[in-house]
Amino acid sequence: NAGVTQTPKFQVLKTGQSMTLQCAQDMNHNSMYWYRQDPGMGLRLIYYSASEGTTDKGEVPNGYNVSRLNKREFSLRLESAAPSQTSVYFCASKVLDVAGNTIYFGEGSWLTVV
Amino acid sequence: RKEVEQDPGPFNVPEGATVAFNCTYSNSASQSFFWYRQDCRKEPKLLMSVYSSGNEDGRFTAQLNRASQYISLLIRDSKLSDSATYLCVVNISGDMRFGAGTRLTVKP
Repeated sequence: NAGVTQTPKFQVLKTGQSMTLQCAQDMNHNSMYWYRQDPGMGLRLIYYSASEGTTDKGEVPNGYNVSRLNKREFSLRLESAAPSQTSVYFCASKVLDVAGNTIYFGEGSWLTVV
Repeated sequence: RKEVEQDPGPFNVPEGATVAFNCTYSNSASQSFFWYRQDCRKEPKLLMSVYSSGNEDGRFTAQLNRASQYISLLIRDSKLSDSATYLCVVNISGDMRFGAGTRLTVKP
């Protein structure tokens, strides 16, 4: 079972370059998320999509855009990368349920902006 | 104040020790609670949910105190393989909020 798959795993960008992180899940989950994780800060929500066709800002959306292409795929775009965006990015998905259900993560994307 | 706060550690304990982690949360509307485990350079994975009555899974025991707004995780008979970062997670109407994690190292 693939679960949540995200690419690329590693990327080095120059300041001002753009790139898109891709994410796909095969668990038929409604909700998908993009988090960033920095030392001492924990996981912070960038954007989320509660269902196909909807996206919403999370805690730290500035400098990012997202696209929920279909139920399976949720991409994160950096239009003009900045060194402050150096981080580990995790895509995640779960069943849409206010009671809370297990959230499944991809393996992470290590991004360095120089 | 952070919504979910944990002691960052690190906790360095010998094999066989009992270790406890605490987590506090600020939003009284929080509905459900979890502990996740994250190994170095890996993604977080669910360790266990936390129920009001407390729950146990093998060597792991989770407790919830809604009045004081804290959650705990107790690990008994620590194994080398328990070395990881433990993340406290709080669900608020479907929005999962993560603590920064507590790092545990179990030594021989």
